[in-house]
Amino acid sequence: QQKVQQSPESLSVPEGGMASLNCTSSDRNFQYFWWYRQHSGEGPKALMSIFSDGDKKEGRFTAHLNKASLHVSLHIRDSQPSDSALYFCAASEPGTGGYKVVFGSGTRLLVSP
Amino acid sequence: EAAVTQSPRSKVAVTGGKVTLSCHQTNNHDYMYWYRQDTGHGLRLIHYSYVADSTEKGDIPDGYKASRPSQENFSLILELASLSQTAVYFCASSQTGYDQDTQYFGPGTRLLVL
Repeated sequence: QQKVQQSPESLSVPEGGMASLNCTSSDRNFQYFWWYRQHSGEGPKALMSIFSDGDKKEGRFTAHLNKASLHVSLHIRDSQPSDSALYFCAASEPGTGGYKVVFGSGTRLLVSP
Repeated sequence: EAAVTQSPRSKVAVTGGKVTLSCHQTNNHDYMYWYRQDTGHGLRLIHYSYVADSTEKGDIPDGYKASRPSQENFSLILELASLSQTAVYFCASSQTGYDQDTQYFGPGTRLLVL
């Protein structure tokens, strides 16, 4: 079983709509989380990190972390066709070093005009 | 923003042949990583390095070697390529190995082993 599980596997939303992506960890030691975005033919690029419980907002993107339930989500407001990409959740645990980052298998988002 | 480049961007190799993938970063980062991406598995760590002339095994090192001749360059070597090594390979770097550090990825190399 993967330590970082993402849902749904794929998601389709209309332009201007809200996209919600979920990530759940099976390892209670994971405390630090990232969302990465990968457009087709490119490498993943960090969207945002979240290390504390609660919400973190950057523009149209809001991440929410609940360490008690090991759940982190990403909400994209006013989705644009350019948001169509593969989104990865990544997690690490304190004291292990950045090389111990674990990635989920991704959610593929399609935003249709 | 961190700049990580990879070469070649795509490669076709024959089974049993030797393949070398190269990575170069220009941001003075200490840590460099090699990942492979397969559908349904996300990104899996093959090797990493935190200093020149030293490499460490990641989660799936079997069949791969790595080389870090300088802080800027990190290579992944497949001595005897196999069909199962067909995948997209990504190099990444981070400023330190600190557990809150963000990784910066290159554009990837698509490897097809026939």
